Amino acid sequence: SQQGEEDPQALSIQEGENATMNCSYKTSINNLQWYRQNSGRGLVHLILIRSNEREKHSGRLRVTLDTSKKSSSLLITASRAADTASYFCATDGGNDYKLSFGAGTTVTVRA
Amino acid sequence: ETGVTQSPTHLIKTRGQQVTLRCSSQSGHNTVSWYQQALGQGPQFIFQYYREEENGRGNFPPRFSGLQFPNYSSELNVNALELDDSALYLCASSPSMWSYNEQFFGPGTRLTVL
Repeated sequence: SQQGEEDPQALSIQEGENATMNCSYKTSINNLQWYRQNSGRGLVHLILIRSNEREKHSGRLRVTLDTSKKSSSLLITASRAADTASYFCATDGGNDYKLSFGAGTTVTVRA
Repeated sequence: ETGVTQSPTHLIKTRGQQVTLRCSSQSGHNTVSWYQQALGQGPQFIFQYYREEENGRGNFPPRFSGLQFPNYSSELNVNALELDDSALYLCASSPSMWSYNEQFFGPGTRLTVL
């Protein structure tokens, strides 16, 4: 079973628009990570947010974390065609080592 | 710095056969995790190796086994293949076993079981 669930499952936006996706999880966590995957290839780490953090930025990415609601959001601003990919949240479920991934949000950026 | 590599890229097997997948971790990383990703799903944790010892295991049967070598490269072995084993197998290396570390993924091995 998967700890995290992303919403929406799919998202189609115009280049230059913002993309927002959400992740909900079930158990307490130490940290939450977001990864990107292009066309069924390996995943690339985007950002990590710790359970005591509420917001984090990295370039055009903004991640929020609400541990009381067990949810996180990933915002990609000023999207580009190269942002077309699947995005996954991954949580440690309170474990020290194991990551559990959600089913992902597929983002398509139209030129 | 060399990234994570996996071999082979693609593999076709028949039901009941055995398969070995290989992963070379990134330089300086002593931890390797293996994941199974079915089509349209997120990666599912199979197990993790830290300094040549299995450090944790997901909900996979014993016919999924692994090894980690002194150079921290790793193998995933799957015996008695089933049709449902068809998936993308990903390995990821990290500088230690703790979950706060970024995991560096290889490109994956696409396994098809007929």
